[in-house]
Amino acid sequence: AQKITQTQPGMFVQEKEAVTLDCTYDTSDQSYGLFWYKQPSSGEMIFLIYQGSYDEQNATEGRYSLNFQKARKSANLVISASQLGDSAMYFCAMRFLSGGYNKLIFGAGTRLAVHP
Amino acid sequence: EAGVTQFPSHSVIEKGQTVTLRCDPISGHDNLYWYRRVMGKEIKFLLHFVKESKQDESGMPNNRFLAERTGGTYSTLKVQPAELEDSGVYFCASREGTRGINEQFFGPGTRLTVL
Repeated sequence: AQKITQTQPGMFVQEKEAVTLDCTYDTSDQSYGLFWYKQPSSGEMIFLIYQGSYDEQNATEGRYSLNFQKARKSANLVISASQLGDSAMYFCAMRFLSGGYNKLIFGAGTRLAVHP
Repeated sequence: EAGVTQFPSHSVIEKGQTVTLRCDPISGHDNLYWYRRVMGKEIKFLLHFVKESKQDESGMPNNRFLAERTGGTYSTLKVQPAELEDSGVYFCASREGTRGINEQFFGPGTRLTVL
């Protein structure tokens, strides 16, 4: 069965510093995709970054990068130069071949607080 | 372009009552998903529509939940009769097709409280 684990319920970071949010996953599928979503207090889920299981390079999107270590089954999100607006819940999610690349399974989320 | 919208944003009902949640996906998105997050738990998949057809409803908790997507546009999720454990946030998401990354775009959710 597929599973996403986010072991950090909450994280604190000083403004302008970098922070890493952990995500490990478990799947027997060879083909899968990993997503990170941000959920600010407004409630909507905002797509941040995607990593395919066959992508050899780590994904980057602006201040977001994904530290993908396939052998260790980890897909940590790195946010560089944190801003106050980065304070939110962050969810790691996966879609997988045996799920038709459709439904996402989510981790429990990490609440990030950025302090000035 | 308008994003995924959900109505209502909040609903408070009593146990045994009926509630209908609505989702309007992004125009042109054939794929529509329902998820929910109950207090303290992970976000869980409920079901997936492709146009008006249910592609996967493996996550629907029981037969008190009924989802429809008439005409392949907006979708409704009815809970009848509602139970206390149905309280949570219900998210709708839509996705265009099968090309590229094809991320799901989520709505703001409907917070359902069953008293």
